[in-house]
Amino acid sequence: QKEVEQNSGPLSVPEGAIASLNCTYSDRGSQSFFWYRQYSGKSPELIMFIYSNGDKEDGRFTAQLNKASQYVSLLIRDSQPSDSATYLCAVYSGSARQLTFGSGTQLTVLP
Amino acid sequence: DAGVIQSPRHEVTEMGQEVTLRCKPISGHNSLFWYRQTMMRGLELLIYFNNNVPIDDSGMPEDRFSAKMPNASFSTLKIQPSEPRDSAVYFCASSDNRGIREQYFGPGTRLTVT
Repeated sequence: QKEVEQNSGPLSVPEGAIASLNCTYSDRGSQSFFWYRQYSGKSPELIMFIYSNGDKEDGRFTAQLNKASQYVSLLIRDSQPSDSATYLCAVYSGSARQLTFGSGTQLTVLP
Repeated sequence: DAGVIQSPRHEVTEMGQEVTLRCKPISGHNSLFWYRQTMMRGLELLIYFNNNVPIDDSGMPEDRFSAKMPNASFSTLKIQPSEPRDSAVYFCASSDNRGIREQYFGPGTRLTVT
């Protein structure tokens, strides 16, 4: 079982819709959770982080964390074609002292 | 503020040649990470340093790969000899090892070994 799992997609949503990206992790000692966006041919870019249960909002992005269910998600409201990218979930564990990345979900927002 | 700097951005070399990739982390960051990304395997951690000391090199594929961090502002990843299967994008990332440990990535080096 992979330590951090994401649906690889591709996920397609129409412009203006809500895109929902999901991630599960296996290490219950995980402390911090990150979402990176990676455009084709570019490097991963940090867009959100969360470390407490609940929701964290930043503009059109909302990260949701449920440690009991070992689940973290990213919601993108009012999706735009410029949001089309691969979204990587990453989890920091104090025991591993490093980030573990999921394989990424490819999102396409259709105009 | 300058981000993580990597050089070269692109490298094309022949099998058997030595390749050296370079990274300058963000000033003040004391952890540095080398990753490799391919379509088949995704993003893989090769090695990371904390305060210039290698902490975990379990991701280094084999003895052909070596990494050094002689000071807080410079690191190298060397492949000798290179093989076609080493073709990938190599990213360097840095973080402050306090707080939530978020990592910031450099632009990457696209390596092609023919």
